[in-house]
Amino acid sequence: KAGVTQTPRYLIKTRGQQVTLSCSPISGHRSVSWYQQTPGQGLQFLFEYFSETQRNKGNFPGRFSGRQFSNSRSEMNVSTLELGDSALYLCASSLEGAPGNEQFFGPGTRLTVL
Amino acid sequence: TQLLEQSPQFLSIQEGENLTVYCNSSSVFSSLQWYRQEPGEGPVLLVTVVTGGEVKKLKRLTFQFGDARKDSSLHITAAQTGDTGLYLCAGSPAGNNRKLIWGLGTSLAVNP
Repeated sequence: KAGVTQTPRYLIKTRGQQVTLSCSPISGHRSVSWYQQTPGQGLQFLFEYFSETQRNKGNFPGRFSGRQFSNSRSEMNVSTLELGDSALYLCASSLEGAPGNEQFFGPGTRLTVL
Repeated sequence: TQLLEQSPQFLSIQEGENLTVYCNSSSVFSSLQWYRQEPGEGPVLLVTVVTGGEVKKLKRLTFQFGDARKDSSLHITAAQTGDTGLYLCAGSPAGNNRKLIWGLGTSLAVNP
């Protein structure tokens, strides 16, 4: 099975711009979660989508949004970028009912905001 | 607030040495996972433990879940340079299987 894929791998934007990141989960996985990872804060949960519906949400401002399509592919959008949004954005898919909600991660998108 | 504390935060050892890293909490978890993350990549699942007192072995890695399901440890025997990476633990709180609590990780450097 192909793993989780994320595009693009690297992105450089300037403050005030917006960005859209894409994630394709493992075939058969209907749950997709997004995380922000920074050296000081570790992995911070953004949101989880299941069957095109947002099922869980972390403590991030409304500038961060996402969606999931009928084929389980997901996108996340960040509007009005700030310097502090520079981070590795990770997407993970999981199989419903798997023990412990095991996450299978993509390689991430490294976002740099200048 | 449910937290998972990982220790040590950083560890630098020589190839061939043994090491143990810890993941502790005051909360009970129904299961706990360990991941390894290499620079520039996403975390990779190593193991899931679900039963209090459970011990799982993966080649030179030994994972243990505490009897009370509040803590876990990862022991590496005869470390190799390929073991270098960030080791993360994540737990599902008892009664909420859809949520995952993440530790900040232990950054391990194995030097040749």
